[in-house]
Amino acid sequence: KAGVTQTPRYLIKTRGQQVTLSCSPISGHRSVSWYQQTPGQGLQFLFEYFSETQRNKGNFPGRFSGRQFSNSRSEMNVSTLELGDSALYLCASSLTSGSDYNEQFFGPGTRLTVL
Amino acid sequence: AQSVTQLDSHVSVSEGTPVLLRCNYSSSYSPSLFWYVQHPNKGLQLLLKYTSAATLVKGINGFEAEFKKSETSFHLTKPSAHMSDAAEYFCVVSLYGNKLVFGAGTILRVKS
Repeated sequence: KAGVTQTPRYLIKTRGQQVTLSCSPISGHRSVSWYQQTPGQGLQFLFEYFSETQRNKGNFPGRFSGRQFSNSRSEMNVSTLELGDSALYLCASSLTSGSDYNEQFFGPGTRLTVL
Repeated sequence: AQSVTQLDSHVSVSEGTPVLLRCNYSSSYSPSLFWYVQHPNKGLQLLLKYTSAATLVKGINGFEAEFKKSETSFHLTKPSAHMSDAAEYFCVVSLYGNKLVFGAGTILRVKS
């Protein structure tokens, strides 16, 4: 069974640009969550999508948005990039949502560098 | 609010000696707790999870953790470290749905 895939793996952008990251969950998984990992702030929850609906949202500005398609693939978008958006963006998929004990499977991440 | 605190940012052990990575949690009710491991340039992998069925939880690669409500702790242990255990370890608490709150991480170094 293929794992969670994220594309692209590496991305370099300049301030003010926008970027779209993609995540394909494990086949059959309907929940996709996004996390930002930085040396200063650690791992922080961005948002979760389940059945094309945003279920949960972290404490990030509106420049960060996401969506989920009918095949459960998800994209996240960051507009008006700032230097502080440089980070590893991780996607995680799980079968369902709403339970405390869902195992989440993480992808390898997309390394975004903003210059 | 639920949170976790990892008490050591770095831990260094010799190969073959025990590993102890410490985690304290803060929760207003019975929490869902996890340990994840992240090897360099790789994604996060679940080591084990506390589901309230048993206080001693066994995970992959010989790791285990004990949930102690009286001490609000969920420390990760392994009897004998292997070089391949060198990685960053995260103690995690689950909030509503799939929202995970991560600790700051502990980097484990294993010396030969």
